[in-house]
Amino acid sequence: NAGVMQNPRHLVRRRGQEARLRCSPMKGHSHVYWYRQLPEEGLKFMVYLQKENIIDESGMPKERFSAEFPKEGPSILRIQQVVRGDSAAYFCASSPPKGGPQHFGDGTRLSIL
Amino acid sequence: DQQVKQNSPSLSVQEGRISILNCDYTNSMFDYFLWYKKYPAEGPTFLISISSIKDKNEDGRFTVFLNKSAKHLSLHIVPSQPGDSAVYFCAATSGAGGFKTIFGAGTRLFVKA
Repeated sequence: NAGVMQNPRHLVRRRGQEARLRCSPMKGHSHVYWYRQLPEEGLKFMVYLQKENIIDESGMPKERFSAEFPKEGPSILRIQQVVRGDSAAYFCASSPPKGGPQHFGDGTRLSIL
Repeated sequence: DQQVKQNSPSLSVQEGRISILNCDYTNSMFDYFLWYKKYPAEGPTFLISISSIKDKNEDGRFTVFLNKSAKHLSLHIVPSQPGDSAVYFCAATSGAGGFKTIFGAGTRLFVKA
């Protein structure tokens, strides 16, 4: 299965710790997107990246959240000093260089104790 | 601000009948619209899309209608099957289906056997 791979599927952290979520896009896809889904809500756009560049981070909280998509390796969404309100499902999607429908991974469910 | 709205949180339909899911948008710059289907504990799966230059797109049992003047689109599923039971997200973007995509809150469809 050459789909979008996210890991871990489930992540538990205590308040104040750091959470690192990883996403490997589909083969041939150079655009990566991160979304957050709170319980009973829709998908909220967070950030859109291409290799080594952040294109649009208008949905990212100003503090504690960062994202990268290095030349080699997966895209990383990093949340520092996590709080209870960060508990959510975080989905990654990718699309080809010329655009087209985004393909999603199965998400990482982050729980903060 | 909710640029993409799905006002019905849930819909229940009898197997074999038509399911109609509705979506409204406010941003006139949107020119590409998509529907995604999501099962529990999985990522959204792309279903069907439509460009703003069209008013209808059909793929098997799924048809999407776009009314630009009303800023409204709908997804028709006919005949509905129990396996169609899922959450359906409407999404909109400007720029051929890639780039920043705004999602609605979703409509949960129940298809009763």
